[in-house]
Amino acid sequence: GDSVTQMEGPVTLSEEAFLTINCTYTATGYPSLFWYVQYPGEGLQLLLKATKADDKGSNKGFEATYRKETTSFHLEKGSVQVSDSAVYFCALSANAGGTSYGKLTFGQGTILTVHP
Amino acid sequence: DSGVTQTPKHLITATGQRVTLRCSPRSGDLSVYWYQQSLDQGLQFLIQYYNGEERAKGNILERFSAQQFPDLHSELNLSSLELGDSALYFCASSVTTADTQYFGPGTRLTVL
Repeated sequence: GDSVTQMEGPVTLSEEAFLTINCTYTATGYPSLFWYVQYPGEGLQLLLKATKADDKGSNKGFEATYRKETTSFHLEKGSVQVSDSAVYFCALSANAGGTSYGKLTFGQGTILTVHP
Repeated sequence: DSGVTQTPKHLITATGQRVTLRCSPRSGDLSVYWYQQSLDQGLQFLIQYYNGEERAKGNILERFSAQQFPDLHSELNLSSLELGDSALYFCASSVTTADTQYFGPGTRLTVL
């Protein structure tokens, strides 16, 4: 079945450091890929998405590129801030024959802590 | 604020009891999804409704059931509760199955 694997956390960085959180997936067809962020005590917020190969999703300085050849969707940010401290989830939504199945399959989440 | 509301925010109950979690989707969204977030299982899809009809089922226990009403709000019913059912339960909604899902703040269920 479909699955998403994220790099193990937690990740601890100093402010203005470069961030990479690795994400790889297994899916049939051509899934849509997402990064969601969960701040302490809150629900999940969509950070960015990509719906086809070579698409780049970007938002708030975060970027991720849909790489079909490596089945990856790594999250990057050039300069993190303390306010970026949160849990980051990579997810996929399977598609087949032009039909989206809707349900999201999530990775295990990566805790990011940014120190001043 | 995603526009998805969930009640209650917290729920504490005892083993063997039954509870109902409620979700109101964003205005205009026809599809509702339920997810469970626990420390050992992570975030798992439970069930999806679209315009009142069940569309997909995931790892939902037989003790759990859900429905979507004509006004599009949804309820998740959990019965014969066990300690292991303690988790955060999220509702998400989208316009259609293919659209981006927006999540509510969740209901934290504690079974004692």
